[in-house]
Amino acid sequence: ELKVEQNPLFLSMQEGKNYTIYCNYSTTSDRLYWYRQDPGKSLESLFVLLSNGAVKQEGRLMASLDTKARLSTLHITAAVHDLSATYFCAVPRSYNTDKLIFGTGTRLQVFP
Amino acid sequence: ETGVTQTPRHLVMGMTNKKSLKCEQHLGHNAMYWYKQSAKKPLELMFVYNFKEQTENNSVPSRFSPECPNSSHLFLHLHTLQPEDSALYLCASSQVGQVLNSNQPQHFGDGTRLSIL
Repeated sequence: ELKVEQNPLFLSMQEGKNYTIYCNYSTTSDRLYWYRQDPGKSLESLFVLLSNGAVKQEGRLMASLDTKARLSTLHITAAVHDLSATYFCAVPRSYNTDKLIFGTGTRLQVFP
Repeated sequence: ETGVTQTPRHLVMGMTNKKSLKCEQHLGHNAMYWYKQSAKKPLELMFVYNFKEQTENNSVPSRFSPECPNSSHLFLHLHTLQPEDSALYLCASSQVGQVLNSNQPQHFGDGTRLSIL
C-alpha cells in the first residue's frame, strides 16, 4: 500500500528564515503534486512535478522531485506571514491513474 | 463563477436524516472526485468518476451514495450517518486522458463541513 509521509507535521518559523518541508512516498511514481490549504478553505494547487529532477519555483516557494529517492522537497525562502497555511503533497496511487494519495500535511506558522 | 462549487457549505444533521451534497464544476473537466478530510488524518479519496463512470469507491460504507448525472455535476447522498462521519467533504475535478494520468492538478471546491448529531 502506498504511503505518503510529510515532515515536519508542524513548523513554526520566524519571518525571513528559510526552511524545507519533506515528502517521502513508498512506491515508484512519476509525478507529485503540492497543495496549500488555508484554514476553512479549499486546497489550492501550487506545483505539479512531472519527472525526476523537476524543479519549479513560484515566489518564495520552490519544489523539487527525486523519483529515485522517492522524495520531494518544498523549500521556503525568507518566509513571510502570508505563507502560513497547511501544505500537502500528493502522489498517484500507481502509474496511469488519477487516484491520489495525500500526505498528512505540514502546518506552517510564520511569526514576526 | 468559481471553478468548483459545493453546496451547502455547512450541514448539521441527525443520524436518521437523509441529505445530499452537491458539487458543480465549470472547468470543462471529465473527472470528478469526493474526498473526506477529518481532523488529524490525511485526505481520503472516497469516489472517483471518469467520463461519468464510477471507477472507485475505495471501500466506502453504503450510507454514502454518489451520483454523477453528467460530467459537470456530482452528488453525495447521505443517510443514517454515524458521528464519525463528521468531517469536511471536498469535491474536486480534473481533466484526464484515456490512460487516466494527468499533467494537470485536481481543482478543489471549498468543501461542505458536515456535523452529525
